[in-house]
Amino acid sequence: GENVEQHPSTLSVQEGDSAVIKCTYSDSASNYFPWYKQELGKRPQLIIDIRSNVGEKKDQRIAVTLNKTAKHFSLHITETQPEDSAVYFCAASMGGGSQGNLIFGKGTKLSVKP
Amino acid sequence: NAGVTQTPKFQVLKTGQSMTLQCAQDMNHEYMSWYRQDPGMGLRLIHYSVGAGITDQGEVPNGYNVSRSTTEDFPLRLLSAAPSQTSVYFCASSPRQGHEQYFGPGTRLTVT
Repeated sequence: GENVEQHPSTLSVQEGDSAVIKCTYSDSASNYFPWYKQELGKRPQLIIDIRSNVGEKKDQRIAVTLNKTAKHFSLHITETQPEDSAVYFCAASMGGGSQGNLIFGKGTKLSVKP
Repeated sequence: NAGVTQTPKFQVLKTGQSMTLQCAQDMNHEYMSWYRQDPGMGLRLIHYSVGAGITDQGEVPNGYNVSRSTTEDFPLRLLSAAPSQTSVYFCASSPRQGHEQYFGPGTRLTVT
């Protein structure tokens, strides 16, 4: 089955710097790659996602890149702000059938220091 | 739209007790799932359902049962609680498998 590795497990940056979180997946059939943000004590919420027919997607300060050949995808946050502090999870899915469930990475705790 | 709701928010059980965690969604989503979240382990899939009357096991199904009699509801039953089931449980729903999932607020369960 699919396996998702996420690095780093913790990341500390100064406000205004960029942050990058990387994930690798094992199954080349995976075609959907979402990123979730979870603030302390809250539920995970989708912040951006990408499908395998797209190499990059941006939404204001957040971008995701996908390298299908290398089987990895990354979350980029620019001009970080204290409110970006949270745990971020990547996930991968094959889109349907018994392999269509989301498989999550173990998370990255991002701390943005003012 | 209330989205995905879960009850209770907190629960303490003694070893061997049974209980049901409730989950409901009002978005007419076909796909529903249960995850447990433990420190450093991410979100692990317990059980999932692709529609009313259909359920299947995820990564960590032992000790849990589910049923899906309606599109809206997807309860998770702990048969005989164990301390290893101490965790935060999230229910999620999606229009279909492999698409954005909407999470409920979670249930924090402690088994003593």
